[in-house]
Amino acid sequence: AQSVTQLDSHVSVSEGTPVLLRCNYSSSYSPSLFWYVQHPNKGLQLLLKYTSAATLVKGINGFEAEFKKSETSFHLTKPSAHMSDAAEYFCVVRGNAGGTSYGKLTFGQGTILTVHP
Amino acid sequence: DAGITQSPRYKITETGRQVTLMCHQTWSHSYMFWYRQDLGHGLRLIYYSAAADITDKGEVPDGYVVSRSKTENFPLTLESATRSQTSVYFCASSVVAVAGDTQYFGPGTRLTVL
Repeated sequence: AQSVTQLDSHVSVSEGTPVLLRCNYSSSYSPSLFWYVQHPNKGLQLLLKYTSAATLVKGINGFEAEFKKSETSFHLTKPSAHMSDAAEYFCVVRGNAGGTSYGKLTFGQGTILTVHP
Repeated sequence: DAGITQSPRYKITETGRQVTLMCHQTWSHSYMFWYRQDLGHGLRLIYYSAAADITDKGEVPDGYVVSRSKTENFPLTLESATRSQTSVYFCASSVVAVAGDTQYFGPGTRLTVL
């Protein structure tokens, strides 16, 4: 079985300050991990993904995430928030070959990011 | 490059009526998925399809029916809509369903059942 926990349902930052969105996962096998962003009334857009290559993954719009196996974490960061970053962010895990959850995505419950001027 | 589209974008219906949500992708991806998004639950998988004429249940399949006669289309039918099926529905597709393959999402259909 696999699961994802996003530790904060809401995060509020000021424009220009760092962003940290926390995600912990559980997976019986080596997982693939994703972060998606959803702007209001829009679909989901892929920000970045980890697939067992480099543990520090760079995505679009200046976001990056670090896979830490020992901590079972995949936190999303950005050095300087922009007003356009205000959205809901989803951490997602996919089980890899050998697990019963092979191929299927499991979503976290989402973190709403608010950016203040 | 249309990508993945959903129709209608908004739908209001009444309890007991049949409703079909359409999903169409232009990439010839093998895999297609239906999710529903509800507050406090994130996205939950309803059904998925590995290829034409191959479908399987996800996490919350009850009350839904799917079909896939053509690779590019994956309609979702609510045979007798209930208020608990009020939700935002997302269709997604991917080339395969392995490793780090990416799922691409449609814009969503907001369904209200009165």
